[in-house]
Amino acid sequence: AQKVTQAQTEISVVEKEDVTLDCVYETRDTTYYLFWYKQPPSGELVFLIRRNSFDEQNEISGRYSWNFQKSTSSFNFTITASQVVDSAVYFCALSEDPSNGRGADGLTFGKGTHLIIQP
Amino acid sequence: DGGITQSPKYLFRKEGQNVTLSCEQNLNHDAMYWYRQDPGQGLRLIYYSQIVNDFQKGDIAEGYSVSREKKESFPLTVTSAQKNPTAFYLCASSTRQIATGNTIYFGEGSWLTVV
Repeated sequence: AQKVTQAQTEISVVEKEDVTLDCVYETRDTTYYLFWYKQPPSGELVFLIRRNSFDEQNEISGRYSWNFQKSTSSFNFTITASQVVDSAVYFCALSEDPSNGRGADGLTFGKGTHLIIQP
Repeated sequence: DGGITQSPKYLFRKEGQNVTLSCEQNLNHDAMYWYRQDPGQGLRLIYYSQIVNDFQKGDIAEGYSVSREKKESFPLTVTSAQKNPTAFYLCASSTRQIATGNTIYFGEGSWLTVV
């Protein structure tokens, strides 16, 4: 069965500090997809990034970067020079390959990391 | 605007009553989903539908029912059989195209409180 673990329940840092959110996953599939979502206080989940299991290149988008390492089954998310607007709950999620024939669908979520950026 | 619309945003229900949450999408997505979120918890899948007139149970389907009569609509009914229905409910949809990796997009959610 799939599983996503976000061991950090809550992280609090001062604005402008760098912060890394950890995500460890388990799956028996060779083809899978990893996601990060941001949930601000309004409640809507905002899609941040998708990574497939065959692409281990790290990605940078502005102050956000992601480190995918299959050897350790991790997909960590780093925010550089954090800002108060980054305060939110961040979820890591895993999806199986829709073509694997098992018919499973949807995402398996971690429990989320509540990130607090203090001014 | 394209997107996923959930209504109502806030809903109060008396114990023993059924209540239906609406979810509409104009993204032309084939697949739609309902998730439940409890405080401090991740999201758990209630039901999903990959095509019109077909739907499957997720991890916590007991006490819930759905229908998928139209591609753009996937309403969720929380029945009186659901023991602890107070939660935040999120509707989502995706294209189901393999190339997109099944990226799922979410609505703004509905808060249900049983009083």
